[in-house]
Amino acid sequence: AQSVTQLDSQVPVFEEAPVELRCNYSSSVSVYLFWYVQYPNQGLQLLLKYLSGSTLVESINGFEAEFNKSQTSFHLRKPSVHISDTAEYFCAVRALFGGGSNYKLTFGKGTLLTVNP
Amino acid sequence: NAGVTQTPKFRILKIGQSMTLQCTQDMNHNYMYWYRQDPGMGLKLIYYSVGAGITDKGEVPNGYNVSRSTTEDFPLRLELAAPSQTSVYFCASRPAGGGETQYFGPGTRLLVL
Repeated sequence: AQSVTQLDSQVPVFEEAPVELRCNYSSSVSVYLFWYVQYPNQGLQLLLKYLSGSTLVESINGFEAEFNKSQTSFHLRKPSVHISDTAEYFCAVRALFGGGSNYKLTFGKGTLLTVNP
Repeated sequence: NAGVTQTPKFRILKIGQSMTLQCTQDMNHNYMYWYRQDPGMGLKLIYYSVGAGITDKGEVPNGYNVSRSTTEDFPLRLELAAPSQTSVYFCASRPAGGGETQYFGPGTRLLVL
């Protein structure tokens, strides 16, 4: 089975400051990794994903995450945040092997990012 | 494309009542999922389906039932509502093959009193 730990439940920052949202995972098999974002009163949207290849992946709105296999981490970063980045961010994993678990995502508990003016 | 749609948006149930949460997707996706989201707990998988006629339990299936008679629809049934089922319910779908992205509906907020 897989598990995901998001180390911070809330991260308050000021506008234009850098931010890092931390995610660690546990799995006995290889995984795909995802960050989803949930804006207030909305469903989740995919922000970025690591499937294979370059360990550094980027989103269209300036976020990036780096897959670190040795540290089993997939931290999300942005060098300068905007008010509009205020949302809840969820890290998720999917096992590549293991029957039914192939199709399922395991989510972390989420990190609420609040960007203040 | 409307994507993934869910009805109703909000519902109040009395303990012991039953209801069906509707989920429809128009993207011809094989895989569909039901999650519940509780504050500070992230999303927990209730049931999922890999195609019409095929469903399986997730992490927290007790108190729920599903069916998948068509590719488009994946309703979630609560037979005897309990206060512990107060939550926000999200339906999601994803295509077979590559991509790996799950597409989420806007959610149904359920309050059981």
